[in-house]
Amino acid sequence: EDQVTQSPEALRLQEGESSSLNCSYTVSGLRGLFWYRQDPGKGPEFLFTLYSAGEEKEKERLKATLTKKESFLHITAPKPEDSATYLCAVQAGGGADGLTFGKGTHLIIQP
Amino acid sequence: DTAVSQTPKYLVTQMGNDKSIKCEQNLGHDTMYWYKQDSKKFLKIMFSYNNKELIINETVPNRFSPKSPDKAHLNLHINSLELGDSAVYFCASSQDWTGYSETQYFGPGTRLLVL
Repeated sequence: EDQVTQSPEALRLQEGESSSLNCSYTVSGLRGLFWYRQDPGKGPEFLFTLYSAGEEKEKERLKATLTKKESFLHITAPKPEDSATYLCAVQAGGGADGLTFGKGTHLIIQP
Repeated sequence: DTAVSQTPKYLVTQMGNDKSIKCEQNLGHDTMYWYKQDSKKFLKIMFSYNNKELIINETVPNRFSPKSPDKAHLNLHINSLELGDSAVYFCASSQDWTGYSETQYFGPGTRLLVL
């Protein structure tokens, strides 16, 4: 069974204090790893897709990396508006399979 | 322009009732999904539809039935609602599978409360 574990569950940082969120996964044949951001009362907002180990993607203060067992979401010099829950998800197998999500990391950036 | 929309946003109903949630996407995608997010905020796949064909059903009770009138819509019908059905339901869509993992785009969610 596909499994996704995110750590830490919650993280509180000062504005400008860089850190990383972890996503460990166990899947039979990874087709893609996804990072989403979810604000309270809203749907998940797509951030990145990673397909193979060694791949990296960046967007503003966020950078996602992928190895064969885990992915990291690095946040550089975060701002209060980066506060949200960050969700990691994997897709395995073939066809139009649903995503298997982790429980998320609740990130709070204090001014 | 809303890419994936859901109605209603909030739904409060009594146990035993039958209700429907509607989903529409204007992205031209061929596959649509329903996810359930429980009180612990854990998102779990329920169904996906590709070209009007049900692809997966993750051990969801048969009280839940997805219906797709066309490839832009995937509605969720729930019969005989139970207290445990209270959750946030998200619709999502993605491009047709081409052998790669296609990004899924999510709607804003429907918050269902069963009393």
